[in-house]
Amino acid sequence: GAVVSQHPSRVICKSGTSVKIECRSLDFQATTMFWYRQFPKKSLMLMATSNEGSKATYEQGVEKDKFLINHASLTLSTLTVTSAHPEDSSFYICSAGIRTGLSGYTFGSGTRLTVV
Amino acid sequence: GQQVMQIPQYQHVQEGEDFTTYCNSSTTLSNIQWYKQRPGGHPVFLIQLVKSGEVKKQKRLTFQFGEAKKNSSLHITATQTTDVGTYFCAGLKQGAQKLVFGQGTRLTINP
Repeated sequence: GAVVSQHPSRVICKSGTSVKIECRSLDFQATTMFWYRQFPKKSLMLMATSNEGSKATYEQGVEKDKFLINHASLTLSTLTVTSAHPEDSSFYICSAGIRTGLSGYTFGSGTRLTVV
Repeated sequence: GQQVMQIPQYQHVQEGEDFTTYCNSSTTLSNIQWYKQRPGGHPVFLIQLVKSGEVKKQKRLTFQFGEAKKNSSLHITATQTTDVGTYFCAGLKQGAQKLVFGQGTRLTINP
């Protein structure tokens, strides 16, 4: 159980464009999903908590207008990086759990974003 | 805010040697989780510790949760090349949903 699918795995985009990343829970319903950013050889930095049917909760310092999160269904959360800049280049990973906060989380395979 | 400190940042060992990584939280945790991330991969859940003083084993891996539920360790006996990767601890506060990750310990092994 607990499979999380994330797409795309890699994306290259031009500065100023927007990129959408999808995170799907394939065999369970996820009322909560988490979006992380990871720089090379660094830890995971939580960007926001995505809540189905309501607004996402963003961590301090994360621009909510730049990183748009939509969690329209119990199995899908999307992260849109708007007006991307080279400094947005990073590894973005989502995660979800069957019993949020009560057991381990499953991570998506991640999306490596390169903004040129 | 809550912080989880993890040491060492890097560890290089000869194959067959043991390896240990340590985590310490600034606050009491509800549980602590351990993840492994292979180079180029994503974090994979290893185990969760919930009880004070809990010890769990997975083959050559031994996980411990401190009595005060603020620290934890992962010990690997007789490392193998397949153990290469970054090991993260992640703490969860009571009633919280979001994990706070340690900085990770990157393990490399000389065959």
